[in-house]
Amino acid sequence: EVQLLESGGGLVQPGGSLKLSCAASGFSFSTYAMNWVRQAPGKGLQWVSALSGSGSSTYYADSVKGRFTISRDNSKNTLYLQMNSLRTEDTAVYYCARASGNSYGPGFDPWGQGTLVTVSS
Amino acid sequence: DIQMTQSPSSVSASVGDRVTITCRASQGISSWLAWYQQKPGKAPKLLIYAASSLQSGVPPRFSGSASGTDFTLTISSLQLEDFATYYCQQTNSFPFTFGQGTRLEIK
Repeated sequence: EVQLLESGGGLVQPGGSLKLSCAASGFSFSTYAMNWVRQAPGKGLQWVSALSGSGSSTYYADSVKGRFTISRDNSKNTLYLQMNSLRTEDTAVYYCARASGNSYGPGFDPWGQGTLVTVSS
Repeated sequence: DIQMTQSPSSVSASVGDRVTITCRASQGISSWLAWYQQKPGKAPKLLIYAASSLQSGVPPRFSGSASGTDFTLTISSLQLEDFATYYCQQTNSFPFTFGQGTRLEIK
């Protein structure tokens, strides 16, 4: 079964850091681009970042560029999101999601169950 | 950035009704359009990709179509389990963007 499992969320103060992990299983991890998507409480979906299968190409939303770093360890079948200089507006459920095809699209499937990040003093 | 404008923001319907949700892209995205269903407290689920291709395991009452920069998700005969929030997403160019969502409620 293809599965993604996020971890690492929690409560952090503004200006703090947190590192999320997404453990993948059931597919050839290194051959798929991966993404992070977030959803603030009661709000819609916002794409955050994407990473190629090899890890050589990265893309970020403007709102997180320079603060967040996406990476992967293909030997461990794990995707990461290092989040620095966190702001209250970064509070959200963070989902990892696999590209459904052989590029960065055409959709995202599957998704993990999500991990909640709360930025508050 | 490509803006995705979804309409309506909410719709009330009954079991058995036909429902249409529209998404308009601010510029051309070819067929790089996906539709998702999300239920409260759950992750989104991919329904349609490449504008009109049905994801494996999704019931055929869901369909997608495209006309230029306008995209449509149609549910032909609503079932109880279809009441949820629906999002469109473009994957034509970074940053990938989602529509604001359409909440489908029971009338």
